[in-house]
Amino acid sequence: DSGVTQTPKHLITATGQRVTLRCSPRSGDLSVYWYQQSLDQGLQFLIQYYNGEERAKGNILERFSAQQFPDLHSELNLSSLELGDSALYFCASSVEGHGAYGYTFGSGTRLTVV
Amino acid sequence: AQSVTQLGSHVSVSEGALVLLRCNYSSSVPPYLFWYVQYPNQGLQLLLKYTTGATLVKGINGFEAEFKKSETSFHLTKPSAHMSDAAEYFCAVTLTGTASKLTFGTGTRLQVTL
Repeated sequence: DSGVTQTPKHLITATGQRVTLRCSPRSGDLSVYWYQQSLDQGLQFLIQYYNGEERAKGNILERFSAQQFPDLHSELNLSSLELGDSALYFCASSVEGHGAYGYTFGSGTRLTVV
Repeated sequence: AQSVTQLGSHVSVSEGALVLLRCNYSSSVPPYLFWYVQYPNQGLQLLLKYTTGATLVKGINGFEAEFKKSETSFHLTKPSAHMSDAAEYFCAVTLTGTASKLTFGTGTRLQVTL
């Protein structure tokens, strides 16, 4: 157990639907990062939050949004889902808002869009 | 800006043979370097990291990596491969003295054969 909790572990939904992925960072970590991993695109950075504020944005689609709450958990919202959104979505956390100490990853949410 | 290049998306070795996974980095300031491992259907797990000090870094499961500034490399090695080492390995870099996030390579899938 890495200390980063992601729920749900698996999600199957239909095209056009909206889903919410949840992440609780490791205790004491202030920063949360979201990544998408697919066979053809590899590991893609989506977005970072630090202590409730958006810190950095990567290859995140406009149909996707995220937020970090006062208790530091984060949610990634995916809407108008397409078949191509099927992927593993990882959350990672770190103590500070940078990578100098490395990240701790959760076990991921596998999203299947049918 | 920083980047990493992992040479070889797939590497196959025999059990008991040397494992060598290559990573070259690019950064404008001294880097922090990391190797992560991802087993099937799991999140990324930190193998080892280089921050400062000794350039030969030892990690978990018998892996080690050497930071070579002159070659801008941080190759991952293990003297004797085991079947359980079959996984995907990611090299990552961040910059010292900045609020930079981790930048990951595209990954190398290690196959271990009998």
